Amino acid sequence: ETGVTQTPRHLVMGMTNKKSLKCEQHLGHNAMYWYKQSAKKPLELMFVYSLEERVENNSVPSRFSPECPNSSHLFLHLHTLQPEDSALYLCASSQDPQGAIYNEQFFGPGTRLTVL
Amino acid sequence: RKEVEQDPGPFNVPEGATVAFNCTYSNSASQSFFWYRQDCRKEPKLLMSVYSSGNEDGRFTAQLNRASQYISLLIRDSKLSDSATYLCVVNSKAAGNKLTFGGGTRVLVKP
Repeated sequence: ETGVTQTPRHLVMGMTNKKSLKCEQHLGHNAMYWYKQSAKKPLELMFVYSLEERVENNSVPSRFSPECPNSSHLFLHLHTLQPEDSALYLCASSQDPQGAIYNEQFFGPGTRLTVL
Repeated sequence: RKEVEQDPGPFNVPEGATVAFNCTYSNSASQSFFWYRQDCRKEPKLLMSVYSSGNEDGRFTAQLNRASQYISLLIRDSKLSDSATYLCVVNSKAAGNKLTFGGGTRVLVKP
């Protein structure tokens, strides 16, 4: 039983739609992440939130908008996506001890997104 | 050069055989190393951390070679259930304490 849940598990949307992906972690962690995994490519880190503050934004297009209302919840708002945005979107969480280097991440099952 | 590089495979392995594969990393300041396992259409899960002295967990052995900047994973007595993609993951505090993932090595264990 994973401590990180994601909804929906599958999503099909048109390019003009607005949708949101939701992630919830039940592990008491203080850092959460969004990753994109496309076919035959490594996981790409999109956003990092630590202690509810966005600490990293890896040049992600503005049609992706993250939101972290508290340390247990993370959203990814989607707007005017392109077909090339079709991918598996993974959420992860970790305990982020300040100044330490160990950073095991626990992943949710992902949302498989298809943009038509 | 990619930050973390892996042979994509697939490595076709007879059941019961031993398989080993490496992962190279480009940032010499990297400090933490992990192997994650990802089954088809599932999320990655931590398989094992990799320590400087090398470590073993059952049939799995991980090694770190800092001088040559690579880590390795060896699987002994392969089981059909070992079929998966193995992701090499590297953490560098200098790079913002984030994990960088390799593209994965696919292993197929066959009867």
